Amino acid sequence: QSALTQPASVSGSPGQSITISCTGTSSDVGGYNYVSWYQQHPGKAPKLMIYDVSNRPSGVSNRFSGSKSGNTASLTISGLQAEDEADYYCSSYTSSSTLEMFGGGTKLTVL
Amino acid sequence: QVQLVQSGAEVKKPGASVKVSCKASGYTFTSYGINWVRQAPGQGLEWMGWISAYNGYTNYAQKLQGRVTMTTDTSTSTAYMELRSLRFDDTAVYYCAKAHRGSSPPVDYWGQGTLVTVSS
Repeated sequence: QSALTQPASVSGSPGQSITISCTGTSSDVGGYNYVSWYQQHPGKAPKLMIYDVSNRPSGVSNRFSGSKSGNTASLTISGLQAEDEADYYCSSYTSSSTLEMFGGGTKLTVL
Repeated sequence: QVQLVQSGAEVKKPGASVKVSCKASGYTFTSYGINWVRQAPGQGLEWMGWISAYNGYTNYAQKLQGRVTMTTDTSTSTAYMELRSLRFDDTAVYYCAKAHRGSSPPVDYWGQGTLVTVSS
């Protein structure tokens, strides 16, 4: 089963906003409000940034926000900072036997 | 504070088995499930499955059914993941992670990762 589709890379300048998309199907992203986003810095474990489409765990900056429209979920980072440079992965519950799927990941570069 | 500490790196031959441990602290172990996620070198993340630390119920990714077993020891707050019949493409960093609620994803705290290398 294919992973959720994310752009391979996005970039932005400090202070700008960027959006990362995550496209699935009605069996996963479109069918359930169980989309999460993880941030991973090189050599480190991932960190939960958004869950249930738009909820932020305690301690996560409000510069990070999530949304969903149809089969596509989005992560928006506003006021980009150098420390935001990392890989970002979306994940979603799926009704298939895979149970949970990740996107292929998006490398965010802060110019 | 919540911590998940995993066992050290392993090198295994094809066909062998590996068992990775994950010791939890800083929360009530039986209140949340433990998920396992792996990441091949330079690649993305892959869900392997999860186990309820409350009753031992497991849910494995179909791709790994028959080769993976997840268990917990509530007396030591430790979770284990055993992968059998190892193949070269099982080479990856294996992470344990605590469920944010219940047993299934999302996960909010991660172990440091355990590198498993399958090499002849």
